[in-house]
Amino acid sequence: AQSVTQLDSQVPVFEEAPVELRCNYSSSVSVYLFWYVQYPNQGLQLLLKYLSGSTLVKGINGFEAEFNKSQTSFHLRKPSVHISDTAEYFCAVSEGTGGFKTIFGAGTRLFVKA
Amino acid sequence: EAQVTQNPRYLITVTGKKLTVTCSQNMNHEYMSWYRQDPGLGLRQIYYSMNVEVTDKGDVPEGYKVSRKEKRNFPLILESPSPNQTSLYFCASSLDWGNQPQHFGDGTRLSIL
Repeated sequence: AQSVTQLDSQVPVFEEAPVELRCNYSSSVSVYLFWYVQYPNQGLQLLLKYLSGSTLVKGINGFEAEFNKSQTSFHLRKPSVHISDTAEYFCAVSEGTGGFKTIFGAGTRLFVKA
Repeated sequence: EAQVTQNPRYLITVTGKKLTVTCSQNMNHEYMSWYRQDPGLGLRQIYYSMNVEVTDKGDVPEGYKVSRKEKRNFPLILESPSPNQTSLYFCASSLDWGNQPQHFGDGTRLSIL
């Protein structure tokens, strides 16, 4: 991928409300798509991944994402967030052209308010 | 327990003093990688390794070196650190490149004065 864009740097939301974190990428070839979560003072953990097949993928902690090839998007959603979902979320793309690199977005900080 | 271990977790040092950040994984993973995380920029890949003795540059390799003499270890070397290398660094490994998720260490916060 040439780039990965996470459209929102911060998303504040009330507890139990739905949330969508947006991710767009640019690539002319097939890609593998990932969402990772980073809690304070920790490394990144995998939430979910899209490799092929069904465009709707489900991950841990009630998150899901939908791959849209025509719009080159991979938005992350959760129908009802908890305080414990407060963290930074990263979209990542791996593709095989130009080397075996993984490109990360700049991150979206999700802040869940009581 | 499957894990990626980085050391040190925190380091404050001075410009020009060579340093090494170690990374070790116990999952027999082929692919290992180093990233730096800076505010507003996300994670940027420094170097990666597809296997022992096979390494290649990521997007921001300047000022860094790596080696992969053993499968489990992938140290990051700053020969002559400069203040613009002050950052949070992560090592990651995966079974293979591309369709496998990466497992991350807990990070190393480097401050170069």
